Amino acid sequence: KAGVTQTPRYLIKTRGQQVTLSCSPISGHRSVSWYQQTPGQGLQFLFEYFSETQRNKGNFPGRFSGRQFSNSRSEMNVSTLELGDSALYLCASSLGRASNEQFFGPGTRLTVL
Amino acid sequence: AQTVTQSQPEMSVQEAETVTLSCTYDTSESNYYLFWYKQPPSRQMILVIRQEAYKQQNATENRFSVNFQKAAKSFSLKISDSQLGDTAMYFCALGSGEYGNKLVFGAGTILRVKS
Repeated sequence: KAGVTQTPRYLIKTRGQQVTLSCSPISGHRSVSWYQQTPGQGLQFLFEYFSETQRNKGNFPGRFSGRQFSNSRSEMNVSTLELGDSALYLCASSLGRASNEQFFGPGTRLTVL
Repeated sequence: AQTVTQSQPEMSVQEAETVTLSCTYDTSESNYYLFWYKQPPSRQMILVIRQEAYKQQNATENRFSVNFQKAAKSFSLKISDSQLGDTAMYFCALGSGEYGNKLVFGAGTILRVKS
């Protein structure tokens, strides 16, 4: 079974631009969660989508948004990029229940110049 | 608010020895799950072990076991017979809420296994 895939793996943008990251979950998984990992703030939950609906949301500004498609693939969008948005963005997929393991993708490394 | 605290930023252990990583947490939820994730230098997060809060028995996965003290809100990870491949950042995480998919992570502990 293929694992969670994230594209692109690396991205360089400049301040003020916007960016879209993509996550393809494991086949059969309906839940996709997004996390931001930085040296200063650690791992922080962004949001979770389940069956195309946002089910949980972290404490990030509205510049961070996401969506999920009918095939469970998810995209995350960051508008008006700031230097502080430089981070490793991880997505994780699961079957959707609290007891289910979350499987993480390799991450997208975003650098904002 | 839910919090997870890992008080050991770095630890080292000799190959084949045993090491324990500490984690404390705080939550007002009655139903929650606790996890230990491993992130090696490749940055790929891997689940090491999980514990359902309603289960009193400590979880065990091969060389990895936990000491879950619910009243003390403590969740430590013991790695027995440490191997070089265990070198990684270890994160303690708390999952709660209606679906438990919102994980709150600790700051992590860097574990170095020495030969």
